[in-house]
Amino acid sequence: GQQVMQIPQYQHVQEGEDFTTYCNSSTTLSNIQWYKQRPGGHPVFLIQLVKSGEVKKQKRLTFQFGEAKKNSSLHITATQTTDVGTYFCAGHNAGNNRKLIWGLGTSLAVNP
Amino acid sequence: NAGVTQTPKFQVLKTGQSMTLQCAQDMNHEYMSWYRQDPGMGLRLIHYSVGAGITDQGEVPNGYNVSRSTTEDFPLRLLSAAPSQTSVYFCASSYSGTGRFGYTFGSGTRLTVV
Repeated sequence: GQQVMQIPQYQHVQEGEDFTTYCNSSTTLSNIQWYKQRPGGHPVFLIQLVKSGEVKKQKRLTFQFGEAKKNSSLHITATQTTDVGTYFCAGHNAGNNRKLIWGLGTSLAVNP
Repeated sequence: NAGVTQTPKFQVLKTGQSMTLQCAQDMNHEYMSWYRQDPGMGLRLIHYSVGAGITDQGEVPNGYNVSRSTTEDFPLRLLSAAPSQTSVYFCASSYSGTGRFGYTFGSGTRLTVV
């Protein structure tokens, strides 16, 4: 079945360092969504990308959607302790908009 | 707005017991869904609904039933609890199945089956 692979599984950084997580789908996606889950919390929607090659920024976070709409990345500049959590990507198959296909997430730890 | 409300927050069941996890949203979202989250497994879709009276299976539906009699409520029923159903359960809703404005998650129900 369709899969969304997300790497790395874990990332440990010093505060102030940059962080990037990558998602790769085996098939073309109609969109890609990113969520953040704090430890013990629930996923919170960050953003959705729908266009090939789309880039969106939210303060220190930069989101990209690949030209082939099969991969995406989330980059955080100058991490802060408030960035700690697990970041998930999720996308809809181009032929099915009722089920999100989720990556397994990247857990980010930030040393102060 | 309360968003998505899940009850209970914690539950311990004995093997074979049944129970219903409640989910309610006040955003008039057409789409509602149930996920379970296990360590290393990510979020797995159990059941979903695209509107009142319409439900469908996700990737791990066995052992669970759902119904959607109103737009607001989407309860998840465990028919005969098993230890393998120990998990964190999240209800999520969105304006439409495409989740154009993202999915809103409830705070979760942490279920332990002993």
